[in-house]
Amino acid sequence: QKEVEQDPGPLSVPEGAIVSLNCTYSNSAFQYFMWYRQYSRKGPELLMYTYSSGNKEDGRFTAQVDKSSKYISLFIRDSQPSDSATYLCAMNTGFQKLVFGTGTRLLVSP
Amino acid sequence: GAVVSQHPSRVICKSGTSVKIECRSLDFQATTMFWYRQFPKQSLMLMATSNEGSKATYEQGVEKDKFLINHASLTLSTLTVTSAHPEDSSFYICSAHRGISGEQYFGPGTRLTVT
Repeated sequence: QKEVEQDPGPLSVPEGAIVSLNCTYSNSAFQYFMWYRQYSRKGPELLMYTYSSGNKEDGRFTAQVDKSSKYISLFIRDSQPSDSATYLCAMNTGFQKLVFGTGTRLLVSP
Repeated sequence: GAVVSQHPSRVICKSGTSVKIECRSLDFQATTMFWYRQFPKQSLMLMATSNEGSKATYEQGVEKDKFLINHASLTLSTLTVTSAHPEDSSFYICSAHRGISGEQYFGPGTRLTVT
């Protein structure tokens, strides 16, 4: 079993839809949770960063962490074609290397 | 803030030559930087952890003599691919760890093609 599980997709939605992306993990020591967006042939861009459990909102993006269930989510409201990319969840215990999900490929059609 | 740059963005070299890739944190100091390799349609594969002023820590299966890492300052880490072969062709990405929390910021990547 992988430490971090993420559905690779692709996830296809129409423009304007609410997108839900999820990851589950097995290591209860993880404290820091991140979501990255990666366009083809580019480096990952940090979208959301959350410490421990709770919600965090930034514009159209909302990140949720439920440590009791070992489950994290990223919601994208009013999705746009420009949101089409691969979304990677990542987590660590602090000063350690990140553990990544496999990434979910999102396709938003106009 | 939190910008990481890489240079070059793309490089083509002949088999047997060495190539150096630079990773810089432009607006923060990074005591720890990471080097990744990514194959098409695959996730990031961590190659090594680079700590300023000390030797890098390599992941299992990564040849330390082939992938030389130097982290000489708090804003610069370099990866040198020595005696490159076509199988070393890949997308190399660095990241830098900022502050007391766990977030990392990635560079734009370097595409290496060995002919």
